[in-house]
Amino acid sequence: GAVVSQHPSWVICKSGTSVKIECRSLDFQATTMFWYRQFPKQSLMLMATSNEGSKATYEQGVEKDKFLINHASLTLSTLTVTSAHPEDSSFYICSARGSVQETQYFGPGTRLLVL
Amino acid sequence: GIQVEQSPPDLILQEGANSTLRCNFSDSVNNLQWFHQNPWGQLINLFYIPSGTKQNGRLSATTVATERYSLLYISSSQTTDSGVYFCAAYTGGGNKLTFGTGTQLKVEL
Repeated sequence: GAVVSQHPSWVICKSGTSVKIECRSLDFQATTMFWYRQFPKQSLMLMATSNEGSKATYEQGVEKDKFLINHASLTLSTLTVTSAHPEDSSFYICSARGSVQETQYFGPGTRLLVL
Repeated sequence: GIQVEQSPPDLILQEGANSTLRCNFSDSVNNLQWFHQNPWGQLINLFYIPSGTKQNGRLSATTVATERYSLLYISSSQTTDSGVYFCAAYTGGGNKLTFGTGTQLKVEL
């Protein structure tokens, strides 16, 4: 149990376009979802935390107008990278946690390359 | 904020060898977890271990919260153990995971 999926797994886009990444909890209800960013050879950095039906809480230094997060249901959260630029190229990972779970479960990640 | 440091940063093992990975944290934490990130980037939960010792097959973990460290033991390593091992701790209100710096492990034949 506790499976989290992400789509797409890879995306290549031109500079200036917007990219939407979906994160789904497949077999549990995710009351809280998290979005992380990981650069090569580095650790995971938390970008934002979202609770179902409420606005996301962004970490310091993360532009909320740049990285739009929607947690519309207990099984789906989306991250939209607006007007993407090459410096937004990274590995984006979501995770989810249910109300009765002690830990978070992670999606397989989305590799974004902005040309 | 809390600092989570891991050692060693890189480790190369021959298949069948044993190893110990260490995680030090700078402040009290609510609990601690170990993850394995495979070469494709997927994070796999290994242990949720706020204190004490747990074992799962060839892996075991020990957390000594009062001394602010945790250890991950890998015995009889296999090539499939390759990847990055992260420890992570919940801090503050217990909702945010702060990840350690990671240990890159390569197991060779």
